[in-house]
Amino acid sequence: KAGVTQTPRYLIKTRGQQVTLSCSPISGHRSVSWYQQTPGQGLQFLFEYFSETQRNKGNFPGRFSGRQFSNSRSEMNVSTLELGDSALYLCASSRDRGRGYGYTFGSGTRLTVV
Amino acid sequence: EDKVVQSPLSLVVHEGDTVTLNCSYEVTNFRSLLWYKQEKKAPTFLFMLTSSGIEKKSGRLSSILDKKELFSILNITATQTGDSAIYLCAVGEMSGGGADGLTFGKGTHLIIQP
Repeated sequence: KAGVTQTPRYLIKTRGQQVTLSCSPISGHRSVSWYQQTPGQGLQFLFEYFSETQRNKGNFPGRFSGRQFSNSRSEMNVSTLELGDSALYLCASSRDRGRGYGYTFGSGTRLTVV
Repeated sequence: EDKVVQSPLSLVVHEGDTVTLNCSYEVTNFRSLLWYKQEKKAPTFLFMLTSSGIEKKSGRLSSILDKKELFSILNITATQTGDSAIYLCAVGEMSGGGADGLTFGKGTHLIIQP
């Protein structure tokens, strides 16, 4: 079966711009979680969507937002980009909520802010 | 203060050696501890541990959890160059709204030299 697909794979943006990243979960998976990975902070939880509703949110500013569509595909948006937003953004899908062992990660979107 | 601390942060060993990776945690409502292997981008699931003292094994890899002392170890025996990767430990908590996102440690960068 197809894995978790994230697009685009790479992105270069300038400070102040906004960006939208996409994540298509494995077919049948209804939960999508987003993580930011940086060398200094490691993997940090952004938010989780389940049945088109944000269920949990990590400790990130309001510039980071997301949504989930009826087909479970999810997008995350970062507005007013800052240099510190440069990171690998990973999404993970699972069939149900709270099933960390059922997480399948995508290959990520590498965002570079210049 | 970090809730999940992994040690060492990096480790270089020779092929055939046995390695032990450590993960200590401090969370309020522990649900599970997970180990992932990250080679390039997408972390891949290794183990989920919920009960103390029960060893999980998969080939040359094994892991155990100590809920009293709040730590877990990941052992890799007879290491091979293909084991070179970042090994991530993550802890899941329960909250009033259900399961929270995972809290990851910063990872152990393991390099196996031929």
